[in-house]
Amino acid sequence: DAGVIQSPRHEVTEMGQEVTLRCKPISGHDYLFWYRQTMMRGLELLIYFNNNVPIDDSGMPEDRFSAKMPNASFSTLKIQPSEPRDSAVYFCASSWGRSSYEQYFGPGTRLTVT
Amino acid sequence: AQSVTQPDIHITVSEGASLELRCNYSYGATPYLFWYVQSPGQGLQLLLKYFSGDTLVQGIKGFEAEFKRSQSSFNLRKPSVHWSDAAEYFCAVASYNNNDMRFGAGTRLTVKP
Repeated sequence: DAGVIQSPRHEVTEMGQEVTLRCKPISGHDYLFWYRQTMMRGLELLIYFNNNVPIDDSGMPEDRFSAKMPNASFSTLKIQPSEPRDSAVYFCASSWGRSSYEQYFGPGTRLTVT
Repeated sequence: AQSVTQPDIHITVSEGASLELRCNYSYGATPYLFWYVQSPGQGLQLLLKYFSGDTLVQGIKGFEAEFKRSQSSFNLRKPSVHWSDAAEYFCAVASYNNNDMRFGAGTRLTVKP
């Protein structure tokens, strides 16, 4: 398996623009997680899905952030409009099974908002 | 809610020396504990995990960790560090039936030749 795939790897955009980050989980995994990593706040869980259904989105910072998982092999994290404080590395991770914590992380998307 | 503290932001060790990275957790019940490693520009990789049973767990790349309930600790150890071990190490805690995993702030390991 190719592992968790994220695209793009790097994104530079201007404040106010819409940003879409993409994730393809490992085939067969039924949990998908979105994390944000910054120097100030460390690694934060934003939202996670089980069988394509959002389970907990309490970590989503505000309404400008939204995430979808239209099928088992694809998820998006969208920021609209983007702000400089959204600059971070965004990770997607997937895992299998109830209470399975062996999460497999993607390489991350480094987002810079100018 | 569970939380994790990694007291050391940065540690430097010489290649071949032993290593211990500290992790303290806060959780009312029996926690599920993990150590992940992040190499520069990469995602996190699971090194080892503790759910129950033997308090000394073995992981990949020669790492081990010991769960000490009395000290609320889950320290990571390696007897002999290699230059390739230079990376950021994260301790994490979760609870049964809850996928809300909380990560520590991380410890950056530098290995001197």
